[in-house]
This record gives sequence, structure tokens and C-alpha cells, in this order.
Amino acid sequence: DQQVKQNSPSLSVQEGRISILNCDYTNSMFDYFLWYKKYPAEGPTFLISISSIKDKNEDGRFTVFLNKSAKHLSLHIVPSQPGDSAVYFCAASRNQGGKLIFGQGTELSVKP
Amino acid sequence: NAGVTQTPKFQVLKTGQSMTLQCAQDMNHEYMSWYRQDPGMGLRLIHYSVGAGITDQGEVPNGYNVSRSTTEDFPLRLLSAAPSQTSVYFCASSLGSFNGYTFGSGTRLTVV
Repeated sequence: DQQVKQNSPSLSVQEGRISILNCDYTNSMFDYFLWYKKYPAEGPTFLISISSIKDKNEDGRFTVFLNKSAKHLSLHIVPSQPGDSAVYFCAASRNQGGKLIFGQGTELSVKP
Repeated sequence: NAGVTQTPKFQVLKTGQSMTLQCAQDMNHEYMSWYRQDPGMGLRLIHYSVGAGITDQGEVPNGYNVSRSTTEDFPLRLLSAAPSQTSVYFCASSLGSFNGYTFGSGTRLTVV
């Protein structure tokens, strides 16, 4: 029973364009949502998060949108850069520091 | 600040052997977790701890034991390794803040 789902295993985008990564969840008790970025042979690193009381959070080129009614969140990267090429995981928890449940990941490739 | 340190980085085990994956953090984080990463499956939570002496099961706990005798250390034990436990294992810790978990660099385990 996958509580957090990323249905696109991969995404290819041209440098300078927008990258949109999507994530769906099934557990309505989730209150915090996070995005992580992972390079090969390294651990995931925290990118951006959002609380369920908000519908948007922005940090530089990265914006996360949350649609609670649809149980859907998305990560927008504008403009995309080749260094953004990595696997992106969305994750959700019921509270800060709580069990963090991850999706399957989406591999983003940004082409020069 | 070393962050989250995992040892060993690589390990090959024979079926039925036992071993302990070590995880230590020097950030005084209360929350710690173990994940495994498999192709197409994302990161799956094995075990979780909210402080010394307190542990809880995650999504895939079978075949793994944990204990948390100190705030700093959270070892993961495989009592009788099976080929299905071939994976990359990540340890992570958190203050319980909104910035999520800090991950170690992983242990790549192969069971033959």
C-alpha cells in the first residue's frame, strides 16, 4: 500500500525551461510534505517543504504547491539547470520529526 | 560537524550471516530512522526512533532489529541475511523541525 506515489519515473527538460515534478498521497493524516534531491552514491538532501496549512512555498528557483483536496503536490524548478539533474523524492509525515514516508522518486534530466 | 555517519560503506554477506550496520549522529537529534532504497521502490522506512530507548516499526521491518541506547547511535541488525535484503541502506536523523531529516551517505549491502 503505497501512501506516497510519484507516477513518473523520469522527466527530461531543456535547460532554462520549467521542470514540474508531481506527487500524490493517499493518507489524509499527512500534515507535512517535503522534497529531497539525490545524486548517485550520495544520501538524499533536503530541498524544500510545506505545511498543510499552506498551499505554496517558495525558495529561490524552487516552489512547492500543495492541493489538499486532490491530495497532490508538485515541485516547480524555474529555470532548470543541468546541475538539477538528479532523482527527486517527495515525502510526507503526520508531524514534524514523524515517520517520513517517501515516494518512488522521479529522475530529472536537464539537457543543455 | 560530521553529521550522520554510516559504516561500513560496502558489505558483502553470505545468506544466513548476521551483521550490524552502524549509524551515528553528532547533532543531538532525537529522531532517527533507517531506510532501504531499491530500484523502482523509492526509500522505504525500516525502523524509526523518537529518542533513546524508544523505537517503532516502519513500512518494511521484517528481518531487521534496532535498539537505541544513546541519542547518538542507532544500529540496524540483520540476524540472518537473505538475498532479498540486498539494497542500499540509509540512516537519517532529525531535530523534529520542519527541515526534515539529514541523511548519511549510505551502506551498499549485497547478500549472496
